[in-house]
Amino acid sequence: DTAVSQTPKYLVTQMGNDKSIKCEQNLGHDTMYWYKQDSKKFLKIMFSYNNKELIINETVPNRFSPKSPDKAHLNLHINSLELGDSAVYFCASSPEGLPPLGAFFGQGTRLTVV
Amino acid sequence: AQSVAQPEDQVNVAEGNPLTVKCTYSVSGNPYLFWYVQYPNRGLQFLLKYITGDNLVKGSYGFEAEFNKSQTSFHLKKPSALVSDSALYFCAVRDPNTGFQKLVFGTGTRLLVSP
Repeated sequence: DTAVSQTPKYLVTQMGNDKSIKCEQNLGHDTMYWYKQDSKKFLKIMFSYNNKELIINETVPNRFSPKSPDKAHLNLHINSLELGDSAVYFCASSPEGLPPLGAFFGQGTRLTVV
Repeated sequence: AQSVAQPEDQVNVAEGNPLTVKCTYSVSGNPYLFWYVQYPNRGLQFLLKYITGDNLVKGSYGFEAEFNKSQTSFHLKKPSALVSDSALYFCAVRDPNTGFQKLVFGTGTRLLVSP
């Protein structure tokens, strides 16, 4: 009954590879996000989708591309992985409307690029 | 653009003592403010939020936070700390005037509660 689930939980891959991280939420929320947490624990928003439409696209390399096949899914695809991409990636979702609620986070995907 | 600052990288407190984790914010209008906690190797968990109304907000695990508009602060507090409270705490702000959902997080404060 996990509300926001990400797969895989751990991902170790070589430089130059392409990989995807999947995210699904069963809360019926309209908005989903991807956040990146670096080794210093800084948490930065990368993308936000509302009803399958991209509404926030922070300054991230073009190698990162989000895909939202439906309202409940927001996948993150990364091309040509680099060492600096190593981080923990969190998916989150939140409902629209007022009063605003906080976001619900997945467990995170620890990506290690070697 | 909205922003939030957590001036302390780490806060150390002895079990049973009161704790405070500081947060200040900057937004163009009235803010929506949140606190999250992250335990090791876990995702973020929602603790509490301020939207409007009473400046003192109570949340999960005995935590509370006080919204102070004049000081633009939203400090997290607990009267008596537990060792199990040791974790990473994030303050977040959302500007209701942005027109879209965007939570901006502070850099996090590590809380260490010693026995």
